[in-house]
Amino acid sequence: GAGVSQTPSNKVTEKGKYVELRCDPISGHTALYWYRQSLGQGPEFLIYFQGTGAADDSGLPNDRFFAVRPEGSVSTLKIQRTERGDSAVYLCASKMFGDNEQFFGPGTRLTVL
Amino acid sequence: AQTVTQSQPEMSVQEAETVTLSCTYDTSENNYYLFWYKQPPSRQMILVIRQEAYKQQNATENRFSVNFQKAAKSFSLKISDSQLGDTAMYFCAFMKHGTDKLIFGTGTRLQVFP
Repeated sequence: GAGVSQTPSNKVTEKGKYVELRCDPISGHTALYWYRQSLGQGPEFLIYFQGTGAADDSGLPNDRFFAVRPEGSVSTLKIQRTERGDSAVYLCASKMFGDNEQFFGPGTRLTVL
Repeated sequence: AQTVTQSQPEMSVQEAETVTLSCTYDTSENNYYLFWYKQPPSRQMILVIRQEAYKQQNATENRFSVNFQKAAKSFSLKISDSQLGDTAMYFCAFMKHGTDKLIFGTGTRLQVFP
């Protein structure tokens, strides 16, 4: 079956602009995660959804970052007033209820000029 | 807070040989999970192997096995009969039971050469 998909694959924007990153989880997966991977680092947790609600958003760095999952499937990570330090690969993952394996998408590489 | 340390930024191994990647972690928890993920240049993280902390037996998956030392908080990955397709970044990760947050190390870049 289809895996986790993320769009766009790459996004280049200018400092101060607004961006949206999209994640389509594996069908039937109830949990969805966003991670941020800076150059040379491991992924860092941002936020986790169980169904439509954010179960844990403790990793969001500040109030410029926001994520939604209105129908319990597709999720959008929104970043306002982008800064150069936001440049990173944003990874999305999903998993089935009761399992602990997270399946990752290919990520979106965000570059803020 | 939990931390994961991978002290080997880069490793190399000849095809068909065996290589071991190191990982240590720090936690006061007793119930948790440990994972090794592979990240090829395509960026997609792929689960290689996982271990439940309450299980004493080391996990194995074909050519991949772990040496889990709970008291020492060590979780190394052994790759046997290395293949060119094993070339990738390898990340060790920790998950506290009851949460769904993966905490990753900084990764080890593994190069398998012919």
